[in-house]
Amino acid sequence: GAVVSQHPSRVICKSGTSVKIECRSLDFQATTMFWYRQFPKKSLMLMATSNEGSKATYEQGVEKDKFLINHASLTLSTLTVTSAHPEDSSFYICSAEGGREDSYEQYFGPGTRLTVT
Amino acid sequence: DAKTTQPTSMDCAEGRAANLPCNHSTISGNEYVYWYRQIHSQGPQYIIHGLKNNETNEMASLIITEDRKSSTLILPHATLRDTAVYYCIVRIPPGAGTALIFGKGTTLSVSS
Repeated sequence: GAVVSQHPSRVICKSGTSVKIECRSLDFQATTMFWYRQFPKKSLMLMATSNEGSKATYEQGVEKDKFLINHASLTLSTLTVTSAHPEDSSFYICSAEGGREDSYEQYFGPGTRLTVT
Repeated sequence: DAKTTQPTSMDCAEGRAANLPCNHSTISGNEYVYWYRQIHSQGPQYIIHGLKNNETNEMASLIITEDRKSSTLILPHATLRDTAVYYCIVRIPPGAGTALIFGKGTTLSVSS
């Protein structure tokens, strides 16, 4: 099946710093990628939808200046958490829509655990 | 996307079939039923999807009622590794750039 990777898998950063998370579709091109956030014992919450070459669409309540999303190519989207605070600590998951003709679906990355100290 | 209702949790003995129900009474004619699962601290994994016919793959079977208002995911021989949160989602076919919206899902606990 189609594979989506995320890097890093875990990151610890200090309050006030920025951290970048990469999401790559390894064996298919993805015109659309999605970013989710998941707090402990909660479900995934959609943060934003990003389309290659255009600005991301953010869900209500998600600060676009704090969570910068760049989708510069058909295989890479990045999420940068700027001026991170402890309340930004969460599990960030990306997904990419694409695949082969007979298996076109939304595929998920393994997630990135962010801890802000 | 239409809303779904799932039980909060279910238990299953290893080796037995796990039957996970989902209600989606407001599903539209062009919406599919999708099932994903999430094992602790991992990204969601696609299981199966269907429109109105029953579907089966190497992981599971999906039974959709004739009126399409509910469905059941069947894991025929549950193992300990099937312990996860299972999400039932209804959505239009992928390709329109519409994200999957997750509800609370069902936590399935498989025990020996």
